[in-house]
Amino acid sequence: DTEVTQTPKHLVMGMTNKKSLKCEQHMGHRAMYWYKQKAKKPPELMFVYSYEKLSINESVPSRFSPECPNSSLLNLHLHALQPEDSALYLCASSQEGPLGEAFFGQGTRLTVV
Amino acid sequence: KQEVTQIPAALSVPEGENLVLNCSFTDSAIYNLQWFRQDPGKGLTSLLLIQSSQREQTSGRLNASLDKSSGRSTLYIAASQPGDSATYLCALNSNSGYALNFGKGTSLLVTP
Repeated sequence: DTEVTQTPKHLVMGMTNKKSLKCEQHMGHRAMYWYKQKAKKPPELMFVYSYEKLSINESVPSRFSPECPNSSLLNLHLHALQPEDSALYLCASSQEGPLGEAFFGQGTRLTVV
Repeated sequence: KQEVTQIPAALSVPEGENLVLNCSFTDSAIYNLQWFRQDPGKGLTSLLLIQSSQREQTSGRLNASLDKSSGRSTLYIAASQPGDSATYLCALNSNSGYALNFGKGTSLLVTP
């Protein structure tokens, strides 16, 4: 099983809402990632979790809050977002270390109104 | 800072043609290189992973090569089909081992 599952697939939220994106993998990977992708651009790294601990935070605004409850789950909590935060949010996982193949989920299409 | 360039940005070919997508990078100290496919509005599908010690990998009609010394990788697609139409992204793992450096992608259209 090389699947990374993201829910929901689509999300529309107002600027005062609080919502969460969820990601799950059962490949035994200990590194999990959140990427943000705008239209016709490559994915940009937001956060990296390694062994359930946040190891990289690419200066992302605090209105995005990641959480890794266990080795299989990764959440992204959203609060007070702006319209420019509308994008495709991608979750990925890989084996620990630099040699691992990365597997991506199908993404959550987020629209902030 | 590692820079990844993909050429061409867009490519249109008739069905049945063989084609080559190019990826170049500025820092040869990489751990691995991965080719992905992305359909519009969808996630990334891993196609091939080449470790730094390898020269090429093959999967079906796809062949990816890696030349670290020249900072280049190519993705060869044989006998292209309309279903191959998508954006192809190359990405490198080259520093801490956690963050992929992506190129901007090549948008491929295979016409019937």
